[in-house]
Amino acid sequence: GAVVSQHPSRVICKSGTSVKIECRSLDFQATTMFWYRQFPKQSLMLMATSNEGSKATYEQGVEKDKFLINHASLTLSTLTVTSAHPEDSSFYICSAQVGSPGNTIYFGEGSWLTVV
Amino acid sequence: GQQVMQIPQYQHVQEGEDFTTYCNSSTTLSNIQWYKQRPGGHPVFLIQLVKSGEVKKQKRLTFQFGEAKKNSSLHITATQTTDVGTYFCAGPSGNQFYFGTGTSLTVIP
Repeated sequence: GAVVSQHPSRVICKSGTSVKIECRSLDFQATTMFWYRQFPKQSLMLMATSNEGSKATYEQGVEKDKFLINHASLTLSTLTVTSAHPEDSSFYICSAQVGSPGNTIYFGEGSWLTVV
Repeated sequence: GQQVMQIPQYQHVQEGEDFTTYCNSSTTLSNIQWYKQRPGGHPVFLIQLVKSGEVKKQKRLTFQFGEAKKNSSLHITATQTTDVGTYFCAGPSGNQFYFGTGTSLTVIP
């Protein structure tokens, strides 16, 4: 089946620094990539939707200047958490989709971010 | 706005008991998808239902899509400890894709 790779799986950074998380579709070209944040024992919260070559669409309440999303190619999207703070510590998951919104979504393994 | 709610939020069952989670959307969905997330893992696709009233089975799991395409259910017969995890429904409405609130299943051996 389709594989989405996310890196790094775990990262610890100091408060005030920036962290980049990569999401790659390994064996298919992803028309759309999604970025989610998940708090413990809660559902996935959609942060933004990105299409290759265009600006990401952010969900209400998500700071676009803090969570920079780049979707430079059909196989790679990156999420950069800028000037990270301890409250940004969370599980971030990307997913990729081929074609229309009705198609199956394939998830990356997720990235645990801890800001100290 | 669009909401996809699941009930119950948590469920503890004895191994061998049945389990059902219900998914309700505030708007009509083009299709419904179900995902399972094991503790510490990422969501994994289980199945997709497209037709109104559709029922699909995967071994002990039975999935149903409502006639109005606004609700769905997942039923597990005779749960096993390997069924532990959080089950999410999800589906597109227009150009958006929505995840349900999830049901966390604990199976007591």
